[in-house]
Amino acid sequence: SAVISQKPSRDICQRGTSLTIQCQVDSQVTMMFWYRQQPGQSLTLIATANQGSEATYESGFVIDKFPISRPNLTFSTLTVSNMSPEDSSIYLCSVFSGTGGYNEQFFGPGTRLTVL
Amino acid sequence: QQPVQSPQAVILREGEDAVINCSSSKALYSVHWYRQKHGEAPVFLMILLKGGEQKGHEKISASFNEKKQQSSLYLTASQLSYSGTYFCGTPPRVGGGSNYKLTFGKGTLLTVNP
Repeated sequence: SAVISQKPSRDICQRGTSLTIQCQVDSQVTMMFWYRQQPGQSLTLIATANQGSEATYESGFVIDKFPISRPNLTFSTLTVSNMSPEDSSIYLCSVFSGTGGYNEQFFGPGTRLTVL
Repeated sequence: QQPVQSPQAVILREGEDAVINCSSSKALYSVHWYRQKHGEAPVFLMILLKGGEQKGHEKISASFNEKKQQSSLYLTASQLSYSGTYFCGTPPRVGGGSNYKLTFGKGTLLTVNP
């Protein structure tokens, strides 16, 4: 299993500012994933963060808007840059961890972001 | 390609059964099921693999029809704790790191009342 913590748990930010979200995992993992979940909506993958290489972004997400760092195998940060109210969402960090021969996806508790 | 879930919402009384469906217009290699309670992170329920293998640790059952490109989650004798939003997730293709890039359906809100 994997235990994931995120900081901050929530924040209210002003338009045009940036927020960096931290994700810490209790075990070493190759890939870490960042998801966005708008209120009452599904989970949308933003990017995959691998240690030692550039993050891979999904369609509709760009590095300038969502820069990601992955300095080691247990930690990653996601920055939401130049925020607008449309960025108000829950941002979740996720990893896969194998048990019993298959990989189960674990999610962090999320960071609830409100942009005014 | 986002999988399609049905129904969007269902209300049950404790003890009743429900079926939640997940279908895709593309070939499915595996289907992952999660439950998310309000204000909490999604929690893994089950993974169904091509060939009929199932892995999970909840007392629920599911089916995976590769030909029909769909999966169904069966919730029997529902309990209050089953309430939440159920999501299915599918990878774009089999193999390598892409197997972990799940695309999730829009979710099915299940409410179990006493």
